[in-house]
This record gives sequence, structure tokens and C-alpha cells, in this order.
Amino acid sequence: DAGVTQSPTHLIKTRGQQVTLRCSPKSGHDTVSWYQQALGQGPQFIFQYYEEEERQRGNFPDRFSGHQFPNYSSELNVNALLLGDSALYLCASSSGQGALGYEQYFGPGTRLTVT
Amino acid sequence: DQQVKQNSPSLSVQEGRISILNCDYTNSMFDYFLWYKKYPAEGPTFLISISSIKDKNEDGRFTVFLNKSAKHLSLHIVPSQPGDSAVYFCAASVETSYDKVIFGPGTSLSVIP
Repeated sequence: DAGVTQSPTHLIKTRGQQVTLRCSPKSGHDTVSWYQQALGQGPQFIFQYYEEEERQRGNFPDRFSGHQFPNYSSELNVNALLLGDSALYLCASSSGQGALGYEQYFGPGTRLTVT
Repeated sequence: DQQVKQNSPSLSVQEGRISILNCDYTNSMFDYFLWYKKYPAEGPTFLISISSIKDKNEDGRFTVFLNKSAKHLSLHIVPSQPGDSAVYFCAASVETSYDKVIFGPGTSLSVIP
């Protein structure tokens, strides 16, 4: 059983460009959450998707948007990239209204570097 | 202003001894606390949590203690094993809400054989 997968593993973009990151949840999971982890810091919650809709959102600007597909996979889009967007982007999947932490599985992340 | 602090960036412990990882928080509204473990090139893994109505929660070798008056929690690992070497994140939330969870910067634990 494949766990949470993310692509690509690494990505280098130029300031001002747009980027799309992808996530496939663990089999049986229908909820996807995205986190940003800057160097030397803990993960920071971006938003969560359930039933193809954004259910919760952290303190991130509208440049950060997402999408969830009928097969529960998800994309994170970031427009007008800034140098400060350089970070490890983590995707986590869970089931429905599962409690924070329990039954939530993280992927290995996508390392985004903005130059 | 960091709401969740882990003031020790790193910690080394001998195999078989106790590992104590500390975490302090500033927001008195936090009522749910979690610990995650992260190996290199892998995503974080949920370890253990505690609600503010408790002061201790135990799961095998892992015990979390919560001192609400001091706004302090700690994770005890007994006995420590080399496989416990990882980065440990403390996190706090209000009402188990994903959008209100705040992670600390992490403590890197090395268990020496």
C-alpha cells in the first residue's frame, strides 16, 4: 500500500514564476492538507481540502491556491513566487473528519527553491 | 513572535537512558498538544498527543507531560534507542483545529549506541 506521494521531489523556480506541486493521498484517505516548512522551522498549515473544496485555511496569501480532484489527489499552486517561498512543502492525508494528528500521514515533501 | 518554542535545537543521549525533549508555549488558548517525529527525507509522523484536561499521556516508551500553569510540556522517551534519532516537533492547537495548529522549530535527537 503506497503511502502519501508527492511530486516533484525537488524544484527550482525563478522569482515571479508560478509553480504547481502534486500530492496523492494514502489509499482510503479523502482529505489532503498542505504545509510549508521553511528552513529551521516547523511546518506551517496552508490549507486543507475535503470533497474537492477548501475546508480550512491558514495564514497564507491568495497567491497560494489549491485544488482537489475526484480521485482525492491534490495540487498546490503558488503564483508570483517570492524568495521567501523557498521551503519544503509537505502534503498530509487523512480520512474525513479525523482528529488532528491521528490517522494523518505525511508525504516526504517537495523542496522548492526560488532564485 | 514564536507561540511554540523548542529552545534546544539538538540533544544527545546514550542508548538505554531517558531522553527529555522540552516545549514551551505562550498562547493560553492552546488546549491540544502533539509531538511528531521526522526522519531525513521523510514526512513527520504523529507520535503522541495530550489534551489540556490531562497532565500526562503515555504510549509505550513515550510519555508526554503537560504543565498548564507553566505553559510547558515535555516528551520523555524511555529507554532511548538508536532508531529514535530524529527531529522532534512539538505542536499546539486550539480545539484540534488544523488551521490553528502551530508547530515549534524542532529538536534534533541523537541516541548514541
